[in-house]
Amino acid sequence: GESVGLHLPTLSVQEGDNSIINCAYSNSASDYFIWYKQESGKGPQFIIDIRSNMDKRQGQRVTVLLNKTVKHLSLQIAATQPGDSAVYFCAEKGRRNNDMRFGAGTRLTVKP
Amino acid sequence: GAGVSQSPSNKVTEKGKDVELRCDPISGHTALYWYRQSLGQGLEFLIYFQGNSAPDKSGLPSDRFSAERTGGSVSTLTIQRTQQEDSAVYLCASSLDRGGYNEQFFGPGTRLTVL
Repeated sequence: GESVGLHLPTLSVQEGDNSIINCAYSNSASDYFIWYKQESGKGPQFIIDIRSNMDKRQGQRVTVLLNKTVKHLSLQIAATQPGDSAVYFCAEKGRRNNDMRFGAGTRLTVKP
Repeated sequence: GAGVSQSPSNKVTEKGKDVELRCDPISGHTALYWYRQSLGQGLEFLIYFQGNSAPDKSGLPSDRFSAERTGGSVSTLTIQRTQQEDSAVYLCASSLDRGGYNEQFFGPGTRLTVL
């Protein structure tokens, strides 16, 4: 079957460095992608989204890149801070509103 | 508050007992989702409510699981005859579902422990 997955389960970076979290997807019909951040004991929190007709979208300190050719999604966090430490999930939406699939997540640890 | 709320935050129960988990979505959100998250895992879709349409129950793992949404607002997820493998965090989310490109807003979850 088709799935959403992450290349790396854990990522450790130094405070102030840039972080890149990657995600692979295989459903070519997916038309909407979201990155979520989940801190310990909390529900996932929306970070940024991108539609399939775009290849890049920027937010505050975050950038999402979408490469439909290789079905790859990435989240870039600039000047990573200790507060960025969390698990990051990518999610893809298929044709139906309820067809949202989540990856297992990447744990980002920021070292001071 | 204006966010999605869930209760209880933690629930410990004995194997074989029934439990009810509650979700209060954001006012005005027509779509409501339930997910299950096991330790260190991603989110597993359980059920989806959209307006007055019949819910999509395709993610419910067994007939011990059921959910209702009353008046298009509050939802209750019921697990009957709980088993130890039901232990997980149960997350609720709501969205506007306008045009299909709407973020889901998540509640803090209910951590269920079945002894």
